[in-house]
Amino acid sequence: QVQLVESGGGVVQPGRSLRLSCAASGFTVSSYALHWVRQAPGKGLEWVAVISYDGSNKHYADSVKGRFTISRDNSKNTLYLQMDSLRAEDTAVYYCARPEGGPYFHHWGQGTLVSVSS
Amino acid sequence: DIVMTQSPDSLAVSLGERATINCKSSQSVLYNSNNKNYLAWYQQKPGQPPKLLIYWASTRDSGVPDRFSGSGSGTDFTLTISSLQAEDVAVYYCQQYYSTPYTFGQGTKLEIK
Repeated sequence: QVQLVESGGGVVQPGRSLRLSCAASGFTVSSYALHWVRQAPGKGLEWVAVISYDGSNKHYADSVKGRFTISRDNSKNTLYLQMDSLRAEDTAVYYCARPEGGPYFHHWGQGTLVSVSS
Repeated sequence: DIVMTQSPDSLAVSLGERATINCKSSQSVLYNSNNKNYLAWYQQKPGQPPKLLIYWASTRDSGVPDRFSGSGSGTDFTLTISSLQAEDVAVYYCQQYYSTPYTFGQGTKLEIK
């Protein structure tokens, strides 16, 4: 079955960097675009970024553009999110998500918590 | 960016009664070329990731009980739970996937009256 397992979250100071990973299994990873979605504590869902199946196309939310970089390594079945110049408002649970038939999110990981605090 | 606005923000319904959540997009999410509305609904329970309920505005995902239904087109959409069950207590989100950034509504918290 499809599994998405995020890792790499933690507590980080403002202005520092963090890299999240999402290990995918149970499907042909190289056939699917993959997304990051985040949720600040007690708040709603915010789409963060998407990368095409082969990594050639990427799109970002305005709130992270220029600071976050989405990438993937299909040989390792892994999705990444490099987060630079972190801000307090980036504090959230970060989910990776896989679409099915259209860019709606049929499969979700359990999420990894990123806390940006001094 | 397409702004998604849900109403109400919270809702209390008696068990067995109908619950209705509305979602309005700031521009149409209907693709004329395929006549599909690029609109999904999710359910999220505390401590869990969201769960897909409805896509293409009205197609129930596999395993979703038939008391959940989606309707609407263009800019106005509705999620209906025909007979509320205790396990339906959750926050519900709509999402447009017509264009990036793929935006969500602010969420509607559904409780038992």
